[in-house]
Amino acid sequence: AQKVTQAQTEISVVEKEDVTLDCVYETRDTTYYLFWYKQPPSGELVFLIRRNSFDEQNEISGRYSWNFQKSTSSFNFTITASQVVDSAVYFCALSEASNYQLIWGAGTKLIIKP
Amino acid sequence: EAQVTQNPRYLITVTGKKLTVTCSQNMNHEYMSWYRQDPGLGLRQIYYSMNVEVTDKGDVPEGYKVSRKEKRNFPLILESPSPNQTSLYFCASSFHRLASTYEQYFGPGTRLTVT
Repeated sequence: AQKVTQAQTEISVVEKEDVTLDCVYETRDTTYYLFWYKQPPSGELVFLIRRNSFDEQNEISGRYSWNFQKSTSSFNFTITASQVVDSAVYFCALSEASNYQLIWGAGTKLIIKP
Repeated sequence: EAQVTQNPRYLITVTGKKLTVTCSQNMNHEYMSWYRQDPGLGLRQIYYSMNVEVTDKGDVPEGYKVSRKEKRNFPLILESPSPNQTSLYFCASSFHRLASTYEQYFGPGTRLTVT
C-alpha cells in the first residue's frame, strides 16, 4: 500500500537559515508521481512541484530545491535562506500510476522567525 | 482569472440539518474532487469525478454525497451532518482525468462546524 510520511510535525528556524523538510514514501509501483504543496496561513493550497519516478534529477527553483532519491524512497524539500513568507504547512503527496488516488502526508508546519 | 470557488467559506450548523457546499471551476477541467483536512491527518479524499455524470468514492465517502451534472460544478452534500464531519473542506480540479498524476488546483476551503 502507498504511504507518505512526513516525520517532522513542526520546524522552527530563524530567517535566512536553510531548512530541509523530509518526505519518505512507500509504494510497490515502479511508476509513480510525487508532489509538494504549500498551505500558507491564509489556508489555500498551492502546488509547488511534481516529479515522476523516472526522473531522479534534482530540481531547483529560486530558493527552493528538491532532492529525489529512489534508493531511500525520499523526496526532500530544501528552502535556502528562508524568509518569513515561507512560513506555512508543507505537504508531500504520492500517486501511483496504477490507481487514481493521491495520498498525502500529514504535513510539516514550518515557522520562520524574523 | 482561472480559479476554483467554494461557497460558503465558513458554516456553522447543527446535527442533522442538510447542507450543500458548492464548488465551481472556470478552467474547463474534467476532473474534480473533494477533500477534507483534519489536524495531523493531511488531506483525505471524499469523492472525485472524472467527468460529467461520473463520480467515485474516495477514502472517506461515508456521510457525503456529490453530483456532477455540469462540467464546472461539483457540489458536496451532507444529508445529515454529524459533529465528526467538522472539518476544513477543499474542492480541487485538474485538467486531466488522471488527476492524481497531475497538478490540482484548489479552492479556498470551507470551514464547517457541526454542533
